[in-house]
Amino acid sequence: NAGVTQTPKFQVLKTGQSMTLQCAQDMNHNSMYWYRQDPGMGLRLIYYSASEGTTDKGEVPNGYNVSRLNKREFSLRLESAAPSQTSVYFCASTGLGRSNQPQHFGDGTRLSIL
Amino acid sequence: SQQGEEDPQALSIQEGENATMNCSYKTSINNLQWYRQNSGRGLVHLILIRSNEREKHSGRLRVTLDTSKKSSSLLITASRAADTASYFCATGLDTGRRALTFGSGTRLQVQP
Repeated sequence: NAGVTQTPKFQVLKTGQSMTLQCAQDMNHNSMYWYRQDPGMGLRLIYYSASEGTTDKGEVPNGYNVSRLNKREFSLRLESAAPSQTSVYFCASTGLGRSNQPQHFGDGTRLSIL
Repeated sequence: SQQGEEDPQALSIQEGENATMNCSYKTSINNLQWYRQNSGRGLVHLILIRSNEREKHSGRLRVTLDTSKKSSSLLITASRAADTASYFCATGLDTGRRALTFGSGTRLQVQP
């Protein structure tokens, strides 16, 4: 099983450009999450989707939008990229959508905004 | 602000030694989880301890939880060079919020 797959793995954007980060999981999980990880910091939650058809803001949602396309896919969109959004972005999923379940992570998208 | 904070921020030990990492948190929790992150990779779940548990083992890992002190520790025994990674604690809250809150991590270097 592939688990959680993120594309692309690397991307360089110019300020003001837009882009969508893709995430897909093949574990039939209900809940999916987007985090960002900055140097020396832990993961900060951007958005999450507890189940298909629902999305909720996390700790740092400003400048981002998400779409839960179906049960497998959860995308993150930067409408107008800013240098402060330079980060490593991780997608995760979990089965029952509760905080007492382990999360499964992809290997991340490394995004640089110039 | 981060719910969980790990201590120390960095730790360097020799192969065969034990490594202890600590995590403190601020509010009541439902469970606490530990994750490992190898360089350039995503996080991998190691162990979950529920708020009504005090200690849990998994192979060379031992996790303790003290809810009165709002703290947890992760002990890796007989460390190996392959244990070199960053380790994060994550807390699940009592409020029903479905997401975890991660600490800033401990970078462990195991010297061969």
